[in-house]
Amino acid sequence: RKEVEQDPGPFNVPEGATVAFNCTYSNSASQSFFWYRQDCRKEPKLLMSVYSSGNEDGRFTAQLNRASQYISLLIRDSKLSDSATYLCVVTSHTDKLIFGTGTRLQVFP
Amino acid sequence: GAGVSQTPSNKVTEKGKYVELRCDPISGHTALYWYRQSLGQGPEFLIYFQGTGAADDSGLPNDRFFAVRPEGSVSTLKIQRTERGDSAVYLCASSPEPPRRTGELFFGEGSRLTVL
Repeated sequence: RKEVEQDPGPFNVPEGATVAFNCTYSNSASQSFFWYRQDCRKEPKLLMSVYSSGNEDGRFTAQLNRASQYISLLIRDSKLSDSATYLCVVTSHTDKLIFGTGTRLQVFP
Repeated sequence: GAGVSQTPSNKVTEKGKYVELRCDPISGHTALYWYRQSLGQGPEFLIYFQGTGAADDSGLPNDRFFAVRPEGSVSTLKIQRTERGDSAVYLCASSPEPPRRTGELFFGEGSRLTVL
């Protein structure tokens, strides 16, 4: 079983739609959680951190459920420019950042 | 530029050859990571340096892979006796501090390795 699992998608949604991605992790000792975004043939970039209480950054909302060991990302009012792969990232106490396989999002007009 | 620089950007080699990939992190960044990424997959952790020492090398797949960072800045990933399965994009990333708190790694554009 992979340490961080995501549905690879693709998720095809129209502009303006709300879309949600989930990610599960296997190590209950995992300490920190993040979402990265990766455009096609580009390097990954940090999108946002995920806090236990949930957090929002504009149209993006991230949530963490430690009991069930899953993380979610919600995107409201999708834009064409949101089309990318979204990577779930989990850290251990050793600062090793473990990436999921990514979920591909395609927003169409 | 002031970003993470990786060379070469593309490397084509034959099975069995030796390859070196270089990473020049952002100046002053103490943490340096190597990942590799295959098509349709997320970045796979290889090794992490804090300063000159390897803090975690648990991701190196076997003893053909080795990485160094002798002066705490530039790092070289070395692959001996390359195999076709080593073909991937090798990504380097750096951070000004252990990223457990911020989670922010600054990635280079990667070195695409193709083993024929």
